[in-house]
Amino acid sequence: SYELTQPPSMSVSPGQTARITCSGDALPKKYAYWYQQKSGQAPVLVIYDDSKRSSGIPERFSGSSSGTRATLTISGAQVEDEADYYCYSIDSSGSHRIFGGGTKLTVL
Amino acid sequence: QVQLIQSGAEVKKPGASVKVSCKASGYTFTSYDISWVRQAPGQGLEWMAWISGYNNNTNCAQKFQGRVTLTTDTSTTTAYMELTNLRSDDTAIYYCARDRITGTTHWFDPWGQGTLVTVSS
Repeated sequence: SYELTQPPSMSVSPGQTARITCSGDALPKKYAYWYQQKSGQAPVLVIYDDSKRSSGIPERFSGSSSGTRATLTISGAQVEDEADYYCYSIDSSGSHRIFGGGTKLTVL
Repeated sequence: QVQLIQSGAEVKKPGASVKVSCKASGYTFTSYDISWVRQAPGQGLEWMAWISGYNNNTNCAQKFQGRVTLTTDTSTTTAYMELTNLRSDDTAIYYCARDRITGTTHWFDPWGQGTLVTVSS
C-alpha cells in the first residue's frame, strides 16, 4: 500500500529554519498538502498544491516539491509554530488518500 | 466564513453504533463533498470516507467498508457519519472536513472541531 514518509520529530531554536520532508513514490505526479495540528486542536491547512500558502498563514511558511520529496519550510520558526505537521496526498491511481505519519516540531 | 460544527462527545459500548453530525455553513452545501478523518489517541490522521454534497455518492477506505454509512440532509446542510459494530480501537477523534479538488486530487479545508468517540465496556 502507498505510504508517505515523514521524520517523526525535529527540533529547532526560535529564528532558525525548519525543513520538514515528506517522501512518496507518487509525489512526482500528485500534489502534496501540509496540515498543522496544535495540541488539542483540529488540523489546519498550511500549504496546498505543493507550494500555495493557505489564507491567513504567515509568509514564513512555504512549500516545495521535487521528485519523490515534498518539503515544508518554516523560515524563522516561532515558538507558536510548535505543532504536529502532516503531509497528505493521494496514490498514483487516485484511489487512496494518505496522510504521512506526522512530524512533531519543537521550537525552543 | 466557512464553518463545520460537529456534535458532542460520545461514549459507546463495544458492538454498538455511533452517529456523528457535521453542520456546514458559509458556503453552498451541495457544491462540495464532505470527508471524514479520524485520529486515535496519540496517533496520526486516517482518512475514512467521503460523500458528495450534490448527489450523495460515497466512497470509503477499504478498512471501513461495511461499517461506515455516510448521509447528508441538504435542508439543514448537515452531514452524518455512522460507524457500526464499534470496537475499542475505534476510540478516536472523528473530524469532518470540506473536500476541495485540484485536478484529480481531493484535499481538505476547513475541518470541523472534532468529535471524541470513546468505546469502552
